[in-house]
Amino acid sequence: QTVVTQEPSLTVSPGGTVTLTCASSTGAVTSGYYPNWFQQKPGQAPRALIYNTDNKLSWTPARFSGSLLGGKAALTLSGVQPEDEAEYYCLLYYGGVGVFGGGTKLTVL
Amino acid sequence: QVQLQESGPGLVKPSQTLSLTCTVSGGSISSGFYFWSWVRQPAGKGLECIGRINTSGSIHYNPSLKSRVTISVDTSKNHFSLKLSSVTAADTAVYYCAREWVVWGQGTTVIVSS
Repeated sequence: QTVVTQEPSLTVSPGGTVTLTCASSTGAVTSGYYPNWFQQKPGQAPRALIYNTDNKLSWTPARFSGSLLGGKAALTLSGVQPEDEAEYYCLLYYGGVGVFGGGTKLTVL
Repeated sequence: QVQLQESGPGLVKPSQTLSLTCTVSGGSISSGFYFWSWVRQPAGKGLECIGRINTSGSIHYNPSLKSRVTISVDTSKNHFSLKLSSVTAADTAVYYCAREWVVWGQGTTVIVSS
């Protein structure tokens, strides 16, 4: 069974920079896995931030960026704001089936 | 602006079939080349993709659920549906529908209990 792995939790100071990663049990993540990133706050539905590795939605703040880094998909937040505290999920595609990572709880402290 | 709304029973008995519908408003389910998805999230846990379908008949199911899942589209009613058979308590979750991961419904809670 395919497993997508994210850091369970990360802490960052306001104004700081943090990178969240997304690894695949099948090997290096490439653009062919079409990495997506989502933000979810308590009691809300997930909100898409990044699709196809590094493409932003119209509502994605400029401080969010997606990339491939060391065989993983990555989401970098530069100049973190208090409102960025949330759970972040990545999604990778395996033959048309989407598999979510376990999520990263980002604390802004 | 397209909006999605999940509907269906909030309580299902063990071994029965969970049935949910996602109604699309503000646009036609047939327009564009979108995949329409079902995702679930048990309380306090992560997201799980159940499956996705497009109006051309292409369907992809989560292998771990494939034997119990049916996703279908009804273009005449502008909605798509989820059926999950032989449910257990482990299927208790918030169920979301989504279009191409960009537009999401608000989610509906389904509890499996006798």
